[in-house]
Amino acid sequence: GENVEQHPSTLSVQEGDSAVIKCTYSDSASNYFPWYKQELGKRPQLIIDIRSNVGEKKDQRIAVTLNKTAKHFSLHITETQPEDSAVYFCAASKERWDTNAGKSTFGDGTTLTVKP
Amino acid sequence: SQTIHQWPATLVQPVGSPLSLECTVEGTSNPNLYWYRQAAGRGLQLLFYSVGIGQISSEVPQNLSASRPQDRQFILSSKKLLLSDSGFYLCACTDTRGPEYGYTFGSGTRLTVV
Repeated sequence: GENVEQHPSTLSVQEGDSAVIKCTYSDSASNYFPWYKQELGKRPQLIIDIRSNVGEKKDQRIAVTLNKTAKHFSLHITETQPEDSAVYFCAASKERWDTNAGKSTFGDGTTLTVKP
Repeated sequence: SQTIHQWPATLVQPVGSPLSLECTVEGTSNPNLYWYRQAAGRGLQLLFYSVGIGQISSEVPQNLSASRPQDRQFILSSKKLLLSDSGFYLCACTDTRGPEYGYTFGSGTRLTVV
C-alpha cells in the first residue's frame, strides 16, 4: 500500500518568513496530493491540492510543488502570519474512483508555529 | 457542498464499555465515507471506509467495527473498549464532485477511555 512520510514534524518560524513542509510517497500510481490544515481541536480542512499532471500550483501565499520522478511534493507558505499556526497534513491518493474508493494516505503532520 | 454531522463531540468511557459514534452527511448522495482515528500528536489512520450501503472495508484489524445502514449514515462501534481506543475520531466523505477534490471532515469525537 501507499506510504507517506512528512517532514519536519515541528516547524517554528518568525512572522513574515517562509515555511516549507515536505512529503514523500511510495506508490507511483498515486496522482492526487491534497494538503489539510488542522487548527487545535478542530477538523482538518483542505487548503490546496495538486494533481500529477501539474508541477506547481499557487493560491495567494500558499503553493505546492510536485516532483513525480522523485515522488515528493512540498507545501510552501510565504509571508507567514500567526494565524497560519496549525498542524498541516499531506496526503496521497489515486483519482480513479473504482480502484481504491478514493482512500487517502496521510502523513503524520507538521506542527507549524508562527511567532509574532 | 456537503456537510458532515458527527456526534458526540466528546466522550469519556470506561474500559470494557460499548461504543457507538454516528456520522451523517447532507448535501450529497452515495458518498464514499471514511472513519479515521488521530492519536495525540499523530497523523490520521484510516480505520474503515464504505462505498455504499452495507459495504464496509476494514483497514486495520482491531476491536472496532463499522456499519452503514443508510446511504448517508456511517456508524463506528465497539463491544468492549480498550485504553488504546482513546483518540480523536473523524468521519470524512469525498467531495460530491469526486475523490479528486479531497475530503470533507466532520468535527470529530474526542474519545477518552478510562
